[in-house]
Amino acid sequence: RKEVEQDPGPFNVPEGATVAFNCTYSNSASQSFFWYRQDCRKEPKLLMSVYSSGNEDGRFTAQLNRASQYISLLIRDSKLSDSATYLCVANTGFQKLVFGTGTRLLVSP
Amino acid sequence: GAVVSQHPSRVICKSGTSVKIECRSLDFQATTMFWYRQFPKQSLMLMATSNEGSKATYEQGVEKDKFLINHASLTLSTLTVTSAHPEDSSFYICSAIPQGKGETQYFGPGTRLLVL
Repeated sequence: RKEVEQDPGPFNVPEGATVAFNCTYSNSASQSFFWYRQDCRKEPKLLMSVYSSGNEDGRFTAQLNRASQYISLLIRDSKLSDSATYLCVANTGFQKLVFGTGTRLLVSP
Repeated sequence: GAVVSQHPSRVICKSGTSVKIECRSLDFQATTMFWYRQFPKQSLMLMATSNEGSKATYEQGVEKDKFLINHASLTLSTLTVTSAHPEDSSFYICSAIPQGKGETQYFGPGTRLLVL
């Protein structure tokens, strides 16, 4: 079983739609969590950290459920520029990041 | 701030040759840098943790004699793929953590290696 699992997608949504991605992790000792965005053939870029209390950054909302070992990312009012692959990432300790395979989002006009 | 560069951005080499990839933190010092590899449609996989002034720590399954890592200064880590083979063709990405500033890793733009 992969340490971090995501639905690979693609999720095809129209502009303005709300879309949600889910992620599960297997290592209960994981200390912190992140969502990264990766554009085609580029390096990943940090989108936001994920906290149990939930956190919001503009159109993006992330949530962590430690009991279920479940992480989510909600994108509201999707833009064409949101098209990318979204990587769920767990810090399993000693600064070691474990990446999911990513969920691909395609936003169409 | 927190810019990481990699050189070269892409390289094509013949099977059996060695390739060196540089990772530089441009505006900060990094005691620790990381090397990842990403195959098409797969996730980034941590290969090794590069520590300034000491030996790198390799992940299980990564051959230390094949992937040589040198972290000679607080702003430079190098990865040398020795005797490269076609199966080593991949996207190699480094990251760095600014010294004394939490745990956020900043990623370089990656190096695309193609071994013929």
